[in-house]
Amino acid sequence: DSGVTQTPKHLITATGQRVTLRCSPRSGDLSVYWYQQSLDQGLQFLIHYYNGEERAKGNILERFSAQQFPDLHSELNLSSLELGDSALYFCASSQIPGTVISGANVLTFGAGSRLTVL
Amino acid sequence: AQSVTQLDSHVSVSEGTPVLLRCNYSSSYSPSLFWYVQHPNKGLQLLLKYTSAATLVKGINGFEAEFKKSETSFHLTKPSAHMSDAAEYFCVVSGNLIFGKGTKLSVKP
Repeated sequence: DSGVTQTPKHLITATGQRVTLRCSPRSGDLSVYWYQQSLDQGLQFLIHYYNGEERAKGNILERFSAQQFPDLHSELNLSSLELGDSALYFCASSQIPGTVISGANVLTFGAGSRLTVL
Repeated sequence: AQSVTQLDSHVSVSEGTPVLLRCNYSSSYSPSLFWYVQHPNKGLQLLLKYTSAATLVKGINGFEAEFKKSETSFHLTKPSAHMSDAAEYFCVVSGNLIFGKGTKLSVKP
C-alpha cells in the first residue's frame, strides 16, 4: 500500500456520461498530480494541484476538470465521456510544490482507477 | 522544451543476464531525471532519480542509471535480471511532467 488511495478501482459507464474519480494523497503530502494512461498515448500528465491551488496543466481536455479540497483530497471530473476516454487514471502525491525543474519531487502513485466507456 | 525518448518499447532477457533499458532526453537546462517501474495492475514506483549530484545513481532492487550529458542519455541497467523484474519501466524528465512511452521488460526463465 503506497498510502495514496484512489476510488473507484474500476468504473464502467456509457458515452455521454459524467464520472468523478477521487484521490486521497499520502499523509503529509500537499501536492496531487493526475495522469491518464492509455495504450496509444502512454502516460500523460493532466494536472497538478498544490495545497488547493492549480500549479500546472498538461494535456487535459476541456471536458475534464479537477480540484483539490481543503482536506487535500482531489477529484477529477470527466464529462461528456467518449470511447477514447477509456484509460487508467492515476493520482500521485508528493510533499513539495514541485516546479518543472525540481529534482527533489518524488511522486507516490496510487493504484489507479480504470475507466471503461462503452 | 523538454522531451524524453525510450528507445525500446520491449526488451526481453533471460534470467541472470544483464538488463539495459535505454532513455535519451532533451532539455534546454540541467534536467532532473527519474526511472519509475510499473508492475502489472499496480501503480508506478520510483526506482531512482538523478538531481545533478553523482552521475551514477543507484536505485532499488539492484538497478542503477548513469547520467551522460554528452550523450543526453540516462540508461537503466541491472547486472543480473530476476523474474520479478518483469514490468514496464518509464523514464521521466522535468519534474515528473514528461514520461517516456515506457519499455516493457520480459524475463525468460
